[in-house]
Amino acid sequence: GDSVTQTEGLVTLTKGLPVMLNCTYQTTYSPFLFWYVQHLNEAPKLLLKSSTDNKRTEHQGFYATLHKSSSSFHLQKSSVQLSDSALYFCALGTGGYKVVFGSGTRLLVSP
Amino acid sequence: DTTVKQNPRYKLARVGKPVNLICSQTMNHDTMYWYQKKPNQAPKLLLFYYDKILNREADTFEKFQSSRPNNSFCSLYIGSAGLEYSAMYLCASSRDGGFQDTQYFGPGTRLLVL
Repeated sequence: GDSVTQTEGLVTLTKGLPVMLNCTYQTTYSPFLFWYVQHLNEAPKLLLKSSTDNKRTEHQGFYATLHKSSSSFHLQKSSVQLSDSALYFCALGTGGYKVVFGSGTRLLVSP
Repeated sequence: DTTVKQNPRYKLARVGKPVNLICSQTMNHDTMYWYQKKPNQAPKLLLFYYDKILNREADTFEKFQSSRPNNSFCSLYIGSAGLEYSAMYLCASSRDGGFQDTQYFGPGTRLLVL
């Protein structure tokens, strides 16, 4: 079946450094990928999404490129801020009504 | 307003007792979802409504019930809570529910069963 893998459970960084959160997926269908972010005590909300191969998608300083050849949709930012500390979910939609989520990566940014 | 509301935010329940969680949205979205989220695990889809049609996941079919009395409200009902039901329950909605649709989440209800 369809699946999403986020290999890092926790990423800790000092502010100002770059970050990449890994997301790989498995599906036999045409994929639609999402990144959702959940700040402490808040609702998860969409950060960015894409279905276009090899095209960079950006929002609020974060960016990701869907690479169908490697089944990846890694999330990146060139310089993290304290406010980026949150839980980040990668998710996969392939058809119908269902979206499959990864287990999430917690990003902790220190001063 | 893209807010999805959930009540209560925290719920303490006794083993064997029923639990009812409420979700509401005012975006006139066709589809509403319920997920169960446990620590270090992916949100797990329990069920969703497309309009008035309820779809329950096969592996949780007998454990959870739901109702959607109107477009704005959706409930999640546990008839007899067990310890394994302790989790965060996330409600979400989307405009038409297609796999490309953005889902709008509520802040969740944290359920603790003792």
